[in-house]
Amino acid sequence: EAGVAQSPRYKIIEKRQSVAFWCNPISGHATLYWYQQILGQGPKLLIQFQNNGVVDDSQLPKDRFSAERLKGVDSTLKIQPAKLEDSAVYLCASSLGVRNEQFFGPGTRLTVL
Amino acid sequence: GNSVTQMEGPVTLSEEAFLTINCTYTATGYPSLFWYVQYPGEGLQLLLKATKADDKGSNKGFEATYRKETTSFHLEKGSVQVSDSAVYFCAHQSTGTASKLTFGTGTRLQVTL
Repeated sequence: EAGVAQSPRYKIIEKRQSVAFWCNPISGHATLYWYQQILGQGPKLLIQFQNNGVVDDSQLPKDRFSAERLKGVDSTLKIQPAKLEDSAVYLCASSLGVRNEQFFGPGTRLTVL
Repeated sequence: GNSVTQMEGPVTLSEEAFLTINCTYTATGYPSLFWYVQYPGEGLQLLLKATKADDKGSNKGFEATYRKETTSFHLEKGSVQVSDSAVYFCAHQSTGTASKLTFGTGTRLQVTL
């Protein structure tokens, strides 16, 4: 069974530029999550989707971050404009449902210069 | 609010030594508790979990017991191996329809020969 796929794996941009990350969850998984993991910290949930609807986006900085999950499968996370403090690893995870085990992708390491 | 506190690393042990990584949590209700592991260059993987008080989660020689009275979920292994070198994250999952995982800051384990 294929795992959660993410791309790109690495991205370096300058501040004020925009960037987008892509996630393909495990087939059949209805719930999709985006986490931000700053160096030396644990992952922090940014947004959770159930199919193509948002369940929790309380910690998403909505002035610069946006996410969508069209057709309830793939998802994209965008940052525009990026700030230095956005440097982190962005993790995507998926699960069959809201109470099932979450499976994590390898993450995208973002460096903002 | 909900939080997870785990011992700071790095923890350096010789092979076959006994491992304890402490984890305590604050949460409302009766959360599920998890230990995730992140090997170098890889994504987060679920190591073990416990869903109610006094449950013991175990996997690959690792164990952790859900202690509601002390709000703790300490990770233990009787004899570590070099291959156990990784970062370990304690986490809890809130109750209710949202399944947000709250992570600790992670503890790096380095096992030497």
